[in-house]
Amino acid sequence: GESVGLHLPTLSVQEGDNSIINCAYSNSASDYFIWYKQESGKGPQFIIDIRSNMDKRQGQRVTVLLNKTVKHLSLQIAATQPGDSAVYFCAENMASGGSYIPTFGRGTSLIVHP
Amino acid sequence: DGGITQSPKYLFRKEGQNVTLSCEQNLNHDAMYWYRQDPGQGLRLIYYSQIVNDFQKGDIAEGYSVSREKKESFPLTVTSAQKNPTAFYLCASSDRGLRETQYFGPGTRLLVL
Repeated sequence: GESVGLHLPTLSVQEGDNSIINCAYSNSASDYFIWYKQESGKGPQFIIDIRSNMDKRQGQRVTVLLNKTVKHLSLQIAATQPGDSAVYFCAENMASGGSYIPTFGRGTSLIVHP
Repeated sequence: DGGITQSPKYLFRKEGQNVTLSCEQNLNHDAMYWYRQDPGQGLRLIYYSQIVNDFQKGDIAEGYSVSREKKESFPLTVTSAQKNPTAFYLCASSDRGLRETQYFGPGTRLLVL
């Protein structure tokens, strides 16, 4: 898993397995969280988001879980495919002087083996 | 197609030269942002703008400048004062202020000759 500010970890899985990517956030005041997928040489793409009044949200093949007690976020990808290979970032939104500035983690590299 | 475009895809800078990276969006978003990404690193905020003719410094604004004369455009100039400009630069925009999801452009890779 990753924490905002630590070195880029790598997760290797076989095609068809489920993947779980973790993220620890730092600010208990953060109330909006986003997962992004970044393929090599491209900009990050929005995957799924969750607000702090929820603990789980599901999308197509992806689920985000939020545990505010331990300030932990996870992204679950079902039936992982080679096209899922990318770097995955979590972002937390926190207030700064009345504005919300997102803070991004360094990302987790997901490698899917066919 | 609605989206964010960045140009050029690759940009080469000579010593002492200022270069400008273009970012355009047709999403009618109010807020726009510039980030720098170094290999194996997360995104670091350079500048952001919540509204036309207004912008704020991010965490690493030194050596960079921006303008926001039009809602759809937020160009970034990398000045000669930026001593280590080699990086991947990402522009993003969001609707209804900074709480909302950011949508990113394809990025510009800046290299120093």
